[in-house]
Amino acid sequence: KNQVEQSPQSLIILEGKNCTLQCNYTVSPFSNLRWYKQDTGRGPVSLTIMTFSENTKSNGRYTATLDADTKQSSLHITASQLSDSASYICVVSDNNDMRFGAGTRLTVKP
Amino acid sequence: NAGVTQTPKFQVLKTGQSMTLQCAQDMNHEYMSWYRQDPGMGLRLIHYSVGAGITDQGEVPNGYNVSRSTTEDFPLRLLSAAPSQTSVYFCASSYRGHYNYGYTFGSGTRLTVV
Repeated sequence: KNQVEQSPQSLIILEGKNCTLQCNYTVSPFSNLRWYKQDTGRGPVSLTIMTFSENTKSNGRYTATLDADTKQSSLHITASQLSDSASYICVVSDNNDMRFGAGTRLTVKP
Repeated sequence: NAGVTQTPKFQVLKTGQSMTLQCAQDMNHEYMSWYRQDPGMGLRLIHYSVGAGITDQGEVPNGYNVSRSTTEDFPLRLLSAAPSQTSVYFCASSYRGHYNYGYTFGSGTRLTVV
């Protein structure tokens, strides 16, 4: 069983709308959690990194939250744009390894 | 532009053929890794290297070899290609501890084995 589970698997929204992507993990001990954006045909690019003591971190229209007690994270995208169409991957690190979620495929339609 | 460069971008192999996927980075990163990405699954670590001359196995190393003769280059060799190795392969590099600094990924190599 994957130690990092993401939901939903895919999501379609209209341009300008907000959306929230979920990440649940069982990785232990916890070191940090990253959200990556992967455009079609490209490698993943880091959006945010959160450590144990951080609850919220923003990067422009992207806001990540972390609840280390329940081992849940979310990525909220505000006022979506067509360029937000991509896969979003949650990656959780212990002190030695990085565990990748399968990703959420987001499609933003005009 | 600085970053991680992978070649080729696309490759079709016949079962049993061998080939080398190239990866080069110009950021003087110590850590380099190879991942494969399959539909519905997270990226899985094949091999990694913590510095020139040092390599180690990841989660799914069977059928692949690596070497790290320089800091810049980290080629991945498929010894005898099998259809199960059809996948998208990503090379990544990081400054020191990848779990703290995160990775810079290449653009990927899409490999099809027929």
